[in-house]
Amino acid sequence: AQSVTQLGSHVSVSEGALVLLRCNYSSSVPPYLFWYVQYPNQGLQLLLKYTTGATLVKGINGFEAEFKKSETSFHLTKPSAHMSDAAEYFCAVSVTGNQFYFGTGTSLTVIP
Amino acid sequence: NAGVMQNPRHLVRRRGQEARLRCSPMKGHSHVYWYRQLPEEGLKFMVYLQKENIIDESGMPKERFSAEFPKEGPSILRIQQVVRGDSAAYFCASSSIGTAVNYGYTFGSGTRLTVV
Repeated sequence: AQSVTQLGSHVSVSEGALVLLRCNYSSSVPPYLFWYVQYPNQGLQLLLKYTTGATLVKGINGFEAEFKKSETSFHLTKPSAHMSDAAEYFCAVSVTGNQFYFGTGTSLTVIP
Repeated sequence: NAGVMQNPRHLVRRRGQEARLRCSPMKGHSHVYWYRQLPEEGLKFMVYLQKENIIDESGMPKERFSAEFPKEGPSILRIQQVVRGDSAAYFCASSSIGTAVNYGYTFGSGTRLTVV
């Protein structure tokens, strides 16, 4: 079975500061990993994904994430937070590619 | 190039009524997935359908919930005799063959169901 744990349901950072959103997964087979962003009253938008190959993946809006198999982690980072980054972020894991398991989300607040 | 279209965006039902949620996948996509997001929770998988077939319904509640994806027309998620606990955001996603892993899903904007 697969599962995702997102540590910290709420994260606050100052504008311009580093963003770090944590995600740990559990999977019995090599997983596919994703980060999605959700703005208020909208659907989820794909930020980035890891399937195979390079373990450091870059996504949209300056975000990146590193797949660390030994730590079963896929943390999301951005060097400098922008006000427009305030949103809900979801980490997801999939094995089959047809069913995704989502974490409970991390709400990011950016303080001016 | 319209994305995944869900309607209505907001739906209010009284307890005991039926709710019908519609999802039109992206053009060229033949796989549809339904997820439910309860307040303060992540998305939970409900059902995966292809045209005229239910592939995986392991996340569907055993009673009152059903889904279909007919040969023509949108996918429908139907909730009979709604209860307050059904209040949630219901998201539909679509993919074409082999792209769910490579590109992730494409999500619609959701239907927010409120049961009063």
